[in-house]
This record gives sequence, C-alpha cells and structure tokens, in this order.
Amino acid sequence: SQELEQSPQSLIVQEGKNLTINCTSSKTLYGLYWYKQKYGEGLIFLMMLQKGGEEKSHEKITAKLDEKKQQSSLHITASQPSHAGIYLCGADMVTGANSKLTFGKGITLSVRP
Amino acid sequence: GAGVSQSPSNKVTEKGKDVELRCDPISGHTALYWYRQSLGQGLEFLIYFQGNSAPDKSGLPSDRFSAERTGGSVSTLTIQRTQQEDSAVYLCASSLGRATEAFFGQGTRLTVV
Repeated sequence: SQELEQSPQSLIVQEGKNLTINCTSSKTLYGLYWYKQKYGEGLIFLMMLQKGGEEKSHEKITAKLDEKKQQSSLHITASQPSHAGIYLCGADMVTGANSKLTFGKGITLSVRP
Repeated sequence: GAGVSQSPSNKVTEKGKDVELRCDPISGHTALYWYRQSLGQGLEFLIYFQGNSAPDKSGLPSDRFSAERTGGSVSTLTIQRTQQEDSAVYLCASSLGRATEAFFGQGTRLTVV
C-alpha cells in the first residue's frame, strides 16, 4: 500500500484560479517535503514542513502541515502556466534510527491559459 | 560540483546486459538516496546510504540490483542481466541528513531493448 496518498491524481485549472492539493499519511510525519517536477526533469525543492500547524509560503505557493502531522496541503493562488507540472510530497518515514525518504505518486497539474 | 550529478544521462542497453549508473552527490552530504521513476508513476524508493553504509535496502526490486558508495561520496547502482521492466528514470538525491532538504540529480533514463 502507498504510504503517502496524494489527491487529486491530476488537476486542470484555468489560469488565474486558486487550487489546493493534498498529501495524507497513515503515520506521523517527521518531515514533510513538497517538490515540483517538470516532465523528464529532476525534482525541484519547494518547501519543507516539520512542526504541526506549520505554514510556509513562497511566492504564490503556501504549504501547511496539520496539527496531528499526518496531512499536508499545498495551495496555489492565482495559478499561472508556469505552475504546471507534477507536485510530489515526500516524508521521512523513520524506521528505528534510519531515515527513509518516501514519496507519493504525485499530482499532475495543468494550467490552461 | 554545485549540484547532484548523475551519469550517464541516457543509457540504452540490450536485455541481459549489465549496467552501472553513477551518482555524484553534493560535497559534504552524508545521506544519499536512489529512486526509480516509471512513466506515470511516483518515485519508487530503492536504497538509502548514510555515509558508506546502507541501513535500508528494502526497496531493491531483486537481487539483480545492487548499490555501493565509497568514500562517503560517489555511489553506483548496478543492474545485472537487465530486463525490459527495468526501463525507467533512475534518480539520485543527497542531503545533509534526516529532516533536511534532499537535492536531486537530473536522473539517468535507462531503456532496455
């Protein structure tokens, strides 16, 4: 089973619209990361959240980690074509003293001009 | 180098041949991760290194896959007797350790024909 579930699987929005995507874990998250990937390219780091209730913003993108640290949302305000891509959430799935940085399947965002 | 470097960027190999993929992490990064990404899929965790040791090898798909890291730096992922289902983009990432941002390379696109 997938340790990190992302929703929706894909999203098409009109340019200028706001949108929210989610990442849910069945386990407590010790570090939650959001990355963006353009097709065929590597991953670009967006934000990292660690504390329950934490919220970070960068330009028009805001990410939150809920109080129970099991879900994160990423909100884009006034979407632009440059926001199109695959958004992946990753998390530290701690097993004993070791870290396993695990990712969800990603959400494909398309922005119509 | 300034970022994580992977080589080759593209590799086409015949079924049954062995291949070796290389990852040069950011200098000073003790943690190194290998992932596999197939078309339309998320990042499949393969293996994680802390220094030269691999505390978590749980993601390696079969005994045809192996990885090593030397000098706490360069890592190689070896796939023996390649199969068509091994075709994917293999991504490497490095970080300073747990709960820190992981930086990704551009990946190696492996095609087994």
